[in-house]
Amino acid sequence: VQLVESGGGVVQPGGSLRLSCAASGFTFNTYAMHWVRQAPGKGLEWVSFIRYDGSDKFYADSVKGRFTISRDNSKNTLSLQMNSLRPEDTALYYCAKDNGRVIRALDYWGQGTLVTVSS
Amino acid sequence: DIQMTQSPSSLSASVGDRVTISCRASQTISNYLNWYQQKPGKAPNLLIYAASSLQSGVPSRFTGSGSGTDFTLTISSLQPEDFATYYCQQSYTPRFTFGPGTKVDIK
Repeated sequence: VQLVESGGGVVQPGGSLRLSCAASGFTFNTYAMHWVRQAPGKGLEWVSFIRYDGSDKFYADSVKGRFTISRDNSKNTLSLQMNSLRPEDTALYYCAKDNGRVIRALDYWGQGTLVTVSS
Repeated sequence: DIQMTQSPSSLSASVGDRVTISCRASQTISNYLNWYQQKPGKAPNLLIYAASSLQSGVPSRFTGSGSGTDFTLTISSLQPEDFATYYCQQSYTPRFTFGPGTKVDIK
């Protein structure tokens, strides 16, 4: 299993950024996926979830209405469109694979892509 | 949202020590509780899922227990590679939440 995030960078407050996660080594279209972030020196914060077929999506209250998760199962790619970015969105963003069990867990993680929101 | 707390926030221990980390949920979550280990500069690694099931490839010195609102991660004999930060996480609701973490460092 390999998950490789990209798309991070420096953006001004109010700006937008689109993160991508390229997945390989497993049957991507049969597993839910998640985004999790970690602000510098801080703990983990779950951000968003998308079901294997894209039929269900959930967001943390802190990003709801500003971030949109999506997936392209034909390209084995997960995305996170981030709009109206705020300084508090500065973090390392990880994509993570759902384990597909009844009791969900995040069994594989990428190495993360850094998003910095600053003027 | 379900809030997760952990105690202690940090601890110092020696190689060979038995270490216990506690996690509490703000409401009952049955056994929808997972544990992760994170080393500096690395992505988190799943250790325990469903409160007590050992993830494949994880050493058996890691055990999880608990149900309802109170959970425990135990490291039976601390090894040098176990110095890290440990997070609990609930998956009872679709909006997951993590505990604040427990940092285990060298005494």
